[in-house]
Amino acid sequence: ILNVEQSPQSLHVQEGDSTNFTCSFPSSNFYALHWYRWETAKSPEALFVMTLNGDEKKKGRISATLNTKEGYSYLYIKGSQPEDSATYLCARSHLNRDDKIIFGKGTRLHILP
Amino acid sequence: NAGVTQTPKFQVLKTGQSMTLQCAQDMNHEYMSWYRQDPGMGLRLIHYSVGAGITDQGEVPNGYNVSRSTTEDFPLRLLSAAPSQTSVYFCASSSSGAVYNEQFFGPGTRLTVL
Repeated sequence: ILNVEQSPQSLHVQEGDSTNFTCSFPSSNFYALHWYRWETAKSPEALFVMTLNGDEKKKGRISATLNTKEGYSYLYIKGSQPEDSATYLCARSHLNRDDKIIFGKGTRLHILP
Repeated sequence: NAGVTQTPKFQVLKTGQSMTLQCAQDMNHEYMSWYRQDPGMGLRLIHYSVGAGITDQGEVPNGYNVSRSTTEDFPLRLLSAAPSQTSVYFCASSSSGAVYNEQFFGPGTRLTVL
């Protein structure tokens, strides 16, 4: 089993402030790192899939970076809005015929008005 | 396209009963998977399949069986339900090469075992 750790577990951010959180993973046999956004009462939706060390991806006010050598990824949200309130999940897949995608426990983000 | 569909949406079972959670996708995806979601635990992989006729165990496979006779369908069977299997179950699919492609999730099935 490939342990994926996310921190913090929960985060409260004032509307308009920027924030970031971390996903840590074993760097051996790394293949891809996935970020998902999961709103309450809905299904997870993909944000980014990153494969290369140094990758940076951006979607609107949300961006992510990847460091495969040290085994971490950061997710950044600029100018938080109420609609950003959600759980953000990261998942790691590794280079193997048996493709397992293992999720972390998520960071629960609350945007305060 | 309907995407990934799951039935039923809600189910209550008694301990020892068996049932099958249905999952279907119409995107011709090779990769399908089942996760369970429990408070504070994120998503835990139960079983997955990289194509028709191929299945493998995830992190928490005990008490569950799967089969993949067609590309479209990936049912999850609870052989003898236990209260510990009370959870929300999500099915997901991805085009081949799921390791680097996004997964599409179904709406979930909320299961309660009494």
